[in-house]
Amino acid sequence: DVQLVESGGGLVQPGGSLRLSCTGSGFTFRDYSMNWVRQASGKGLEWVASIKQDGNEKYYVDSVKGRFTVSRDNVKNTLYLQMNSLRAEDTAVYYCARVQYYYDRSGYQEGDWFDPWGQGTQVNVSS
Amino acid sequence: SYELTQPLSVSVALGQTARITCGGDNVGSKYVHWYQLKPGQAPVLVIYRNINRPSGIPERFSGSNSGNTATLTISRAQVGDEADYFCQVRDSSTIFGGGTKLTVL
Repeated sequence: DVQLVESGGGLVQPGGSLRLSCTGSGFTFRDYSMNWVRQASGKGLEWVASIKQDGNEKYYVDSVKGRFTVSRDNVKNTLYLQMNSLRAEDTAVYYCARVQYYYDRSGYQEGDWFDPWGQGTQVNVSS
Repeated sequence: SYELTQPLSVSVALGQTARITCGGDNVGSKYVHWYQLKPGQAPVLVIYRNINRPSGIPERFSGSNSGNTATLTISRAQVGDEADYFCQVRDSSTIFGGGTKLTVL
């Protein structure tokens, strides 16, 4: 059964740091790009960061550039999000999500949709 | 930056058809994906690449995309379909719509 499980959320003061983890099981973790997506209470989904299979390509939404770092350990099947200089507006449920593949005439291609997702971990930034 | 617009809420009578729209500039030229979110649960992909249903998603869920509007259609709506639904595209980055709360009356 393909599964993603996040951990590491909690309450942190503004300016503080937190590291989220997401452990995958039931699939070959190193073969998939991974993402972090967040949802503030009462708000919509916001893509936060993505990382390619080997960890050499990373992308971020502008609002977290320079503060958040996405990484992965393909031996431990784990995705990370190091969050520094946290702000109140970073308060949200953080989800990890796997990119999917599809097959066409050229073979297997990386898609741009997410499946599955983890159940999320709550991050609260407050004094 | 690219934007996707969804109605805040849609209501449907039990057993009837619900349609949730996702508007964007020439969104028909992009692939649209749809997710279902229920409180405390992991988001679930219900439609990918405009019209495709992942395994395990009922045939009652279907999608379309043309012009400036993509639509998620839920036929024979059930109480268990009550959730927030989000559309998503890939532009220069991953973009989500603001989400639509579906209520089954």
